[in-house]
Amino acid sequence: GQNIDQPTEMTATEGAIVQINCTYQTSGFNGLFWYQQHAGEAPTFLSYNVLDGLEEKGRFSSFLSRSKGYSYLLLKELQMKDSASYLCAVVDNDYKLSFGAGTTVTVRA
Amino acid sequence: IAGITQAPTSQILAAGRRMTLRCTQDMRHNAMYWYRQDLGLGLRLIHYSNTAGTTGKGEVPDGYSVSRANTDDFPLTLASAVPSQTSVYFCASSDSPSGAYNEQFFGPGTRLTVL
Repeated sequence: GQNIDQPTEMTATEGAIVQINCTYQTSGFNGLFWYQQHAGEAPTFLSYNVLDGLEEKGRFSSFLSRSKGYSYLLLKELQMKDSASYLCAVVDNDYKLSFGAGTTVTVRA
Repeated sequence: IAGITQAPTSQILAAGRRMTLRCTQDMRHNAMYWYRQDLGLGLRLIHYSNTAGTTGKGEVPDGYSVSRANTDDFPLTLASAVPSQTSVYFCASSDSPSGAYNEQFFGPGTRLTVL
């Protein structure tokens, strides 16, 4: 089976930086996605990593270490609108997505 | 507006009733998926279709069936609903069913309550 772990909740202050960790043990690996999901809405794509290293996209960055089964999503210069759940999802051997339970980030003024 | 639509937005259903959740995409994507999302469990794959005319079982397929008669539509049917099927259901699609970069686009979801 698939095992994808991420913290349940994180709280940070507006303007700060937050790092959301994701560890995985899955049947094969063909990439890792991060999705953002606001309450009551659909998940939307944030980032994709398939090779080791850091991918930067504006205020958001995502890092992958395949040997460690580890990824993180870094949110910089936090804004109130960043309050949402962040979902880590691994592409397995069958090219299906297996999702973690999600991390709810609350940004406080 | 291109994307995925789902209907209904929400539904309250008596146990034992039959229900079909509808999903339509206009992006001409080959692959489509149905997930359920429950608190603390994340998104779990119910059924998928790699291309029109084919379907497959995901992680939690029991009690659900799907069909894929054409590229655009992928309905999910609960033959006899039970309270444990109370959940938020998301339909998703992707251009390619295989290949590592397989970004999935999600519909707005259907909130289903079975009493």
